[in-house]
Amino acid sequence: AQSVTQLDSHVSVSEGTPVLLRCNYSSSYSPSLFWYVQHPNKGLQLLLKYTSAATLVKGINGFEAEFKKSETSFHLTKPSAHMSDAAEYFCVVSDPPGGKLIFGQGTELSVKP
Amino acid sequence: DVKVTQSSRYLVKRTGEKVFLECVQDMDHENMFWYRQDPGLGLRLIYFSYDVKMKEKGDIPEGYSVSREKKERFSLILESASTNQTSMYLCVTHSLGRNTIYFGEGSWLTVV
Repeated sequence: AQSVTQLDSHVSVSEGTPVLLRCNYSSSYSPSLFWYVQHPNKGLQLLLKYTSAATLVKGINGFEAEFKKSETSFHLTKPSAHMSDAAEYFCVVSDPPGGKLIFGQGTELSVKP
Repeated sequence: DVKVTQSSRYLVKRTGEKVFLECVQDMDHENMFWYRQDPGLGLRLIYFSYDVKMKEKGDIPEGYSVSREKKERFSLILESASTNQTSMYLCVTHSLGRNTIYFGEGSWLTVV
């Protein structure tokens, strides 16, 4: 069965240090993968999506993610955290592409000054 | 711009009441989904639909049903509301052509 696992429920970093949010998925197909961010009391905003064109995907606000089929991973990274990055992040898989949408449980990112 | 409209934004219902949550989209998307979002649990899929009159159970369908009589409208029904159904309910559509997900604004339901 399709599933998405966000390996950390909470990540804390200092401002200016790298961010790594981890996501693993299980899929019977070549899935579509997304990362969304949700700031407190706000809706979900698309950061980036993978649709098999390139394994390294660049998104908004300096975020990027690398699709690694052999590891079934789609980890989100950012070289330097900003205070405004503090939010909850969701990894989403569409499997098969255009089918069921499965959300991970979310990772809360805290950024310390 | 694509619009996904959840007409009921904030509701307070009594235990045992029947509750209807409606979602309307204006872009002819085939796929529509209902999720509930609870702190620490992320978005959990209740039901989804690929087309008119088609529905499939998600991960937590118990206590819910859905209706899709027209392509643009996907309704979530709580036959007999219970306090553990207090949550935020989110309608989502998926444009297959653009591979883009669209979200409603959410419906906050409190069952007392």
